[in-house]
Amino acid sequence: GIQVEQSPPDLILQEGANSTLRCNFSDSVNNLQWFHQNPWGQLINLFYIPSGTKQNGRLSATTVATERYSLLYISSSQTTDSGVYFCAVHYGQNFVFGPGTRLSVLP
Amino acid sequence: DGGITQSPKYLFRKEGQNVTLSCEQNLNHDAMYWYRQDPGQGLRLIYYSQIVNDFQKGDIAEGYSVSREKKESFPLTVTSAQKNPTAFYLCASSLGQRARDTQYFGPGTRLTVL
Repeated sequence: GIQVEQSPPDLILQEGANSTLRCNFSDSVNNLQWFHQNPWGQLINLFYIPSGTKQNGRLSATTVATERYSLLYISSSQTTDSGVYFCAVHYGQNFVFGPGTRLSVLP
Repeated sequence: DGGITQSPKYLFRKEGQNVTLSCEQNLNHDAMYWYRQDPGQGLRLIYYSQIVNDFQKGDIAEGYSVSREKKESFPLTVTSAQKNPTAFYLCASSLGQRARDTQYFGPGTRLTVL
């Protein structure tokens, strides 16, 4: 099956800092999505991004499908950005999730 | 307003007991999913259903069972055969099972076996 890796596993930032999260996958995929899981466990879809670049406020994402990776950029981080960020790739019939990057933004 | 609800939020069970986790959606989605999340790990697929009265095993189906008698509902039963059931369980739904169909998640049920 496909392997999905995320780095770094943990990230601690001061409020206002910028960060880049990475997702690597081992095979061609039909789609890639980024999710944020808040400290209470709720997952929210951030981006549907099979290729190219998208921006939504302080967040943006880039997927280079031919090189099998995606990047999530967080600018001017806020404490509410804390939580776990997952990438998920659509492979076969379903999504396969990476292990996540745990982000802690300190005030 | 539309969304996915899961109940209960917390569930405690004694070893050897079966328990059923509820998942309901009013988004008129055809596809529904159950995932398991262990501490510090990603989500793993337990079961999924594309339409009513049909469901398929995911990667870790052993010790679990599901039903899909109604479009809105996809309950998960954790049986006594599940060796290590303590985990966070997430239900999701999507319009279909196509790659472009976004998954929407419920708030989760945290199951603890005593």
